[in-house]
Amino acid sequence: GAVVSQHPSWVICKSGTSVKIECRSLDFQATTMFWYRQFPKQSLMLMATSNEGSKATYEQGVEKDKFLINHASLTLSTLTVTSAHPEDSSFYICSASRATDLGYTFGSGTRLTVV
Amino acid sequence: DAKTTQPPSMDCAEGRAANLPCNHSTISGNEYVYWYRQIHSQGPQYIIHGLKNNETNEMASLIITEDRKSSTLILPHATLRDTAVYYCIVRASNAGGTSYGKLTFGQGTILTVHP
Repeated sequence: GAVVSQHPSWVICKSGTSVKIECRSLDFQATTMFWYRQFPKQSLMLMATSNEGSKATYEQGVEKDKFLINHASLTLSTLTVTSAHPEDSSFYICSASRATDLGYTFGSGTRLTVV
Repeated sequence: DAKTTQPPSMDCAEGRAANLPCNHSTISGNEYVYWYRQIHSQGPQYIIHGLKNNETNEMASLIITEDRKSSTLILPHATLRDTAVYYCIVRASNAGGTSYGKLTFGQGTILTVHP
């Protein structure tokens, strides 16, 4: 149980375009989902926390207008990187939690390359 | 959330026990200790978590000192596939079961299991 699916696993896009990444909890309802970004040889950095039906809470320094997060249902959250630039190239990872103390489940990540 | 300190890297021979230490001297009474690992280019994988008592599951054992200021993750018989970055994280838990606090990742310990 507790499977989180992230799609796509990798994407290449042109500079200036937008990219949407999906995060789905397959066998449980996720009250809270988190989005992380990871640059090469670095640790995961939390970008934002989203709760179903409410606005996401962004970490300091993360541009909310650039990284749009939607958590419209208990099983789906999306991250849209708008007007992507090469410096947005990174590994994006989502995680989801249930309303019980069983830890977090992470998706397999999305490798974004902006050219 | 309390911060953690881990050695940057460790080596272990295949088949031997891997003991990964973590210091969390500022941990609060309601904070759990979580361990995750990340294999290259994948999302983090939950290993184990605990509050006060030692815990064991099919993957590992978690030993928490009586004062809770440090803990050790034990992989009893390390294999080559256990080579990964291991993260020790402390996080407050909401006993009421509502939405959780975020997981903040440090730099972790790079565990290399060699033949």
